[in-house]
Amino acid sequence: DQQVKQNSPSLSVQEGRISILNCDYTNSMFDYFLWYKKYPAEGPTFLISISSIKDKNEDGRFTVFLNKSAKHLSLHIVPSQPGDSAVYFCAARANSGNTPLVFGKGTRLSVIA
Amino acid sequence: DAGVIQSPRHEVTEMGQEVTLRCKPISGHNSLFWYRQTMMRGLELLIYFNNNVPIDDSGMPEDRFSAKMPNASFSTLKIQPSEPRDSAVYFCASSPDSRNEKLFFGSGTQLSVL
Repeated sequence: DQQVKQNSPSLSVQEGRISILNCDYTNSMFDYFLWYKKYPAEGPTFLISISSIKDKNEDGRFTVFLNKSAKHLSLHIVPSQPGDSAVYFCAARANSGNTPLVFGKGTRLSVIA
Repeated sequence: DAGVIQSPRHEVTEMGQEVTLRCKPISGHNSLFWYRQTMMRGLELLIYFNNNVPIDDSGMPEDRFSAKMPNASFSTLKIQPSEPRDSAVYFCASSPDSRNEKLFFGSGTQLSVL
């Protein structure tokens, strides 16, 4: 059973517009959430994270929003650039520490020039 | 730092053969993880080590899979015998501490079992 769900396998966005990637989770013990970005033939790289004590974290063009009551988080990229085209993985960790990250299946973002 | 180093980058083998994947974590990192990426299941955790000790191997699909970490700078994932359904990209990742808040991934090994 997938504890972290990314229900959109792919997303296409025009350059300059906003990209919104969504992620849902089922485990109420998750307290730390991350987004990873993956280019072809490379490993995933850390992009941005958020703790459950916050509802928003911003880093340049990237903002992650967390809605704990809905068990939902989203990644906003504004403005989107062609170099943002990649697979984005949502990940979560439970509050016991010493527990590994659980990843979603990923969403492939294509930013069209 | 060179980051997490995995070898080989690509492996093509025939069904029934033994496959060994290798990983060198970032120096000083205490935790090491093996993940497998497939279209159907995304990134799934196979096993992870903390201070060279296996902590959770519940993700290892079958007894055909085994992993070792003989020291802090080296780990292997072995599949014996390999099957076509094992074809996937295998990633190794390391983390600086047991909180596992941020993982650093290698470039992966693309395994094809014919």
